[in-house]
Amino acid sequence: AQTVTQSQPEMSVQEAETVTLSCTYDTSESNYYLFWYKQPPSRQMILVIRQEAYKQQNATENRFSVNFQKAAKSFSLKISDSQLGDTAMYFCAFMKRSTGANSKLTFGKGITLSVRP
Amino acid sequence: DTGVSQNPRHKITKRGQNVTFRCDPISEHNRLYWYRQTLGQGPEFLTYFQNEAQLEKSRLLSDRFSAERPKGSFSTLEIQRTEQGDSAMYLCASSATGFGNTIYFGEGSWLTVV
Repeated sequence: AQTVTQSQPEMSVQEAETVTLSCTYDTSESNYYLFWYKQPPSRQMILVIRQEAYKQQNATENRFSVNFQKAAKSFSLKISDSQLGDTAMYFCAFMKRSTGANSKLTFGKGITLSVRP
Repeated sequence: DTGVSQNPRHKITKRGQNVTFRCDPISEHNRLYWYRQTLGQGPEFLTYFQNEAQLEKSRLLSDRFSAERPKGSFSTLEIQRTEQGDSAMYLCASSATGFGNTIYFGEGSWLTVV
């Protein structure tokens, strides 16, 4: 079974600054996907960024980038130029790359990020 | 594309009553998921459909829980004889078939059992 650990329950950052959210995971799989999801106070979960484990290049999406360390099973999210709208809970999630039907996400406990004006 | 739609958004029920939640996935998405989320926690997987077939159920899904997806379109999640421990947000999500496709979530259905 896979586990995802987010050990920081809360973080705070000043607007326009950079913040890094940590995530570690445990799996015996060699092929998988990793995701960061954002859940704003309105509660709908939206995808921020995804990483394919077989790709060495770190994924980037505008102000969001990841540091994927496969050997260390670490997957951190860096948010640059933080904006007030980035205030939300952020969840790290794992998905096996399976030829079978199972494609579910396994989530960490999440981290609450507050962006200060 | 109107996104994943869930209703009701909020439900307050007395312990022992039955409740049903409905989920309308993004059209043409074959896969549909139900998750449960309690305050301050990440979503926990409940069950998964590929078209109309329920392919996996979590151990969290006790006998009081049943989910259906007739005709592979919308899905319902029914909780019978609700207990206070069932109070949570029930999230529905959908995705297209394929490796690592993005899973899109609905806004969730809040259940409060009093």
